Amino acid sequence: SAVISQKPSRDICQRGTSLTIQCQVDSQVTMMFWYRQQPGQSLTLIATANQGSEATYESGFVIDKFPISRPNLTFSTLTVSNMSPEDSSIYLCSVEDRRAGDGYTFGSGTRLTVV
Amino acid sequence: RKEVEQDPGPFNVPEGATVAFNCTYSNSASQSFFWYRQDCRKEPKLLMSVYSSGNEDGRFTAQLNRASQYISLLIRDSKLSDSATYLCVVNDNQGGKLIFGQGTELSVKP
Repeated sequence: SAVISQKPSRDICQRGTSLTIQCQVDSQVTMMFWYRQQPGQSLTLIATANQGSEATYESGFVIDKFPISRPNLTFSTLTVSNMSPEDSSIYLCSVEDRRAGDGYTFGSGTRLTVV
Repeated sequence: RKEVEQDPGPFNVPEGATVAFNCTYSNSASQSFFWYRQDCRKEPKLLMSVYSSGNEDGRFTAQLNRASQYISLLIRDSKLSDSATYLCVVNDNQGGKLIFGQGTELSVKP
């Protein structure tokens, strides 16, 4: 399957600051997906990132809060801006993985705690 | 109604037991279906895709009933290492968006 390197793996941040999460894939992919998993919850899609165009955000998520970059076909970043304790979650990137049949592979996640 | 709904857990079973997970989905146009496994503090990992004809991988069998919009996962001869949260996942085919069920936690005891 595809190999995704996601970092940082965890961070503790002060409220009001921003954190940028990076995902690097070992192959070129058209779309990369960013998910949030709040404590005790399942995954919710934040946005879909295509190279060369603006990300597409799901209902409840906005670009000002979660700006995304997709400079090439193997890399993407998600920034969590002006953080509050409610942003404490695990953030995961994902790609459609042709090497894994028709499944999707996830990065190892970034565990964010906002204090 | 939730888009993807799973059995509430947790399931606590002895080793060797057979466990069945059930899942329903609301979007009849959905085309791709998966079971993922998520260990504590880890990312979800694909367990198996689910096809209309049903598919089996060792001790794991997945079934799809499109008419009933129902997906199942059967684990036979459960092992301690099967303990995890099992996520029912549906691809709504709108740009590859995955919809996750809330997950069902399985704990296999000696």
